[in-house]
Amino acid sequence: GAVVSQHPSWVICKSGTSVKIECRSLDFQATTMFWYRQFPKQSLMLMATSNEGSKATYEQGVEKDKFLINHASLTLSTLTVTSAHPEDSSFYICSAISGARSRGELFFGEGSRLTVL
Amino acid sequence: AQSVTQLDSQVPVFEEAPVELRCNYSSSVSVYLFWYVQYPNQGLQLLLKYLSGSTLVKGINGFEAEFNKSQTSFHLRKPSVHISDTAEYFCAVSLYNFNKFYFGSGTKLNVKP
Repeated sequence: GAVVSQHPSWVICKSGTSVKIECRSLDFQATTMFWYRQFPKQSLMLMATSNEGSKATYEQGVEKDKFLINHASLTLSTLTVTSAHPEDSSFYICSAISGARSRGELFFGEGSRLTVL
Repeated sequence: AQSVTQLDSQVPVFEEAPVELRCNYSSSVSVYLFWYVQYPNQGLQLLLKYLSGSTLVKGINGFEAEFNKSQTSFHLRKPSVHISDTAEYFCAVSLYNFNKFYFGSGTKLNVKP
């Protein structure tokens, strides 16, 4: 199957700093990438949808100035958590879709665990 | 709006026993249905999907699911589980344009020897 790589897999940062998480599709061109946040014992919460070359579409309640998403190429999307606070600590997961190839199948990265001290 | 409900947060079962993981969805329009599995320390991967056709869908590792439109359900079943099936299972729905996916809260399957 297709491979999506997420980096870093875990990161610890101080409150007030910014953290960037990368999501790469290694063997296919991802027309659309999704960013999710996973809370313990809860479902994956969709944060935003990004299409290559255009601005991300954020879900209601997600601060676009805090969670900056860039989808500069068909193989790379980045999520930057700006001025991180302890409440931003979570597991962030990216996924990618290539409509022609996958017929709706999402390919997931391994996730990035962010801990803000 | 769409939503997905997985009522069972944890399902313990003995090895070689059958298992059913329940999934119900709510949608005002037709949707596609998916089951994903997340093994410990790994990303989610697709188990099976229903897009159209036969309502009984077979997936990897001996799992199958049946789409029931009248009951808005998509329960996942396996006749005989293995220790290696221990994982968290997520049900998801998507609209026809695949622009959004909605996930249930997950069910942790714990297979005991």
